[in-house]
Amino acid sequence: QVQLVQSGAEVKKPGSSVKVSCKASGGTFSSQSISWVRQAPGQGLEWMGGIIPSFDTTNYAQRFQGRVSFTTDESSSTTYMELTSLRSEDSAVYYCAGGPPTWLQLCFENWGQGTLVTVSS
Amino acid sequence: DIQMTQSPSSLSASVGDRVTITCRASQSINSYVNWYQQKPGKAPELLIYAASSLRSGVPSRFSGSGFGTDFTLTISTLQPEDFATYFCQQSYRTPLTFGGGTKVEIK
Repeated sequence: QVQLVQSGAEVKKPGSSVKVSCKASGGTFSSQSISWVRQAPGQGLEWMGGIIPSFDTTNYAQRFQGRVSFTTDESSSTTYMELTSLRSEDSAVYYCAGGPPTWLQLCFENWGQGTLVTVSS
Repeated sequence: DIQMTQSPSSLSASVGDRVTITCRASQSINSYVNWYQQKPGKAPELLIYAASSLRSGVPSRFSGSGFGTDFTLTISTLQPEDFATYFCQQSYRTPLTFGGGTKVEIK
């Protein structure tokens, strides 16, 4: 069973960037996909996109295209999500979620604990 | 994008009740629906994948059904630990999308 551990809470100014990490342990890092899902306070879940390290492919949701990027460091089994040009509406809990190495028929079997990102002047 | 419409958005039920939550997709998505449970302050947890397959370790009182555009999650006998919010998610096409959630509260 893969465990995902995320970096801690962040407070950012509007217009700045945030980079959140997600470290995997207990499984084969490269044999899974890692997606990023965010949840604004009291709201539902929103898929931002993901990365499949073994295929070196990314898939970004259109509404975040150009503002988000996913990278991996296979030596440390860590995936990063960077979101730029932050605005107040980006305040949310950001989760990494692991699943099989595919975009279709993808279910999120493992989740990180979540990282609260607060955007405030 | 494929829209997932969940209903009801909330419900009140008692321990021992049978609970059914529905999710309707804006287009046919075969059986590519997953269901998650989320408790306050926690990450979601996978319950059901591919519409009706129970994840290992999930109690058998949870079941899923449906094909095409209409899907249901059923809890046969509600237990105290089942009070939570439930989300459906389609995995037919990216962007992957979720339903708005159903909050199951104690009556």
